Amino acid sequence: RKEVEQDPGPFNVPEGATVAFNCTYSNSASQSFFWYRQDCRKEPKLLMSVYSSGNEDGRFTAQLNRASQYISLLIRDSKLSDSATYLCVVPLYNNNDMRFGAGTRLTVKP
Amino acid sequence: DGGITQSPKYLFRKEGQNVTLSCEQNLNHDAMYWYRQDPGQGLRLIYYSQIVNDFQKGDIAEGYSVSREKKESFPLTVTSAQKNPTAFYLCASSPTGDSPLHFGNGTRLTVT
Repeated sequence: RKEVEQDPGPFNVPEGATVAFNCTYSNSASQSFFWYRQDCRKEPKLLMSVYSSGNEDGRFTAQLNRASQYISLLIRDSKLSDSATYLCVVPLYNNNDMRFGAGTRLTVKP
Repeated sequence: DGGITQSPKYLFRKEGQNVTLSCEQNLNHDAMYWYRQDPGQGLRLIYYSQIVNDFQKGDIAEGYSVSREKKESFPLTVTSAQKNPTAFYLCASSPTGDSPLHFGNGTRLTVT
């Protein structure tokens, strides 16, 4: 298994749709997880942190499944402005070795 | 305002030349990171540093070198040994391993 692996996408959804991405990780000892959003040719920006079973912020929900070693990101009522690449980040081996998944590209269409 | 500053934003070099990318943070973070991103791909870890005068190789350290002489500075040198240096380089920092990364705006390096 790759250290951090994401749904490759791309996901093309209409406005208002609900969409979910998964991210699997190899290090069962990882304690913290992060979802970032990256717009084209820009730096990643933090979307959500996940330290326990999950986190919710408005239309965004992140869930952690430790037994199966994956985290998911759910976006409800998609907006055009949600179009971006979503990256998951997992610390490996020690808490300062932060590894990114390859990213999932989302396009929300009118 | 606290943050991470990468400079320059765009950098052009001839093949065979070493080039150093600057990364400075005033967030008082202990850990700093360098990532490389190629078009349509995710971020790959080059080097990271947990503390001054200490750093570890990431997945793709070959052809790169770093130093961490001061807490706020973590420059990356792309040497002539790096076979494909043209890429988007991102520097990040975090206070601890449990905390999210804060990113600079990135440097786009083009080597011809």
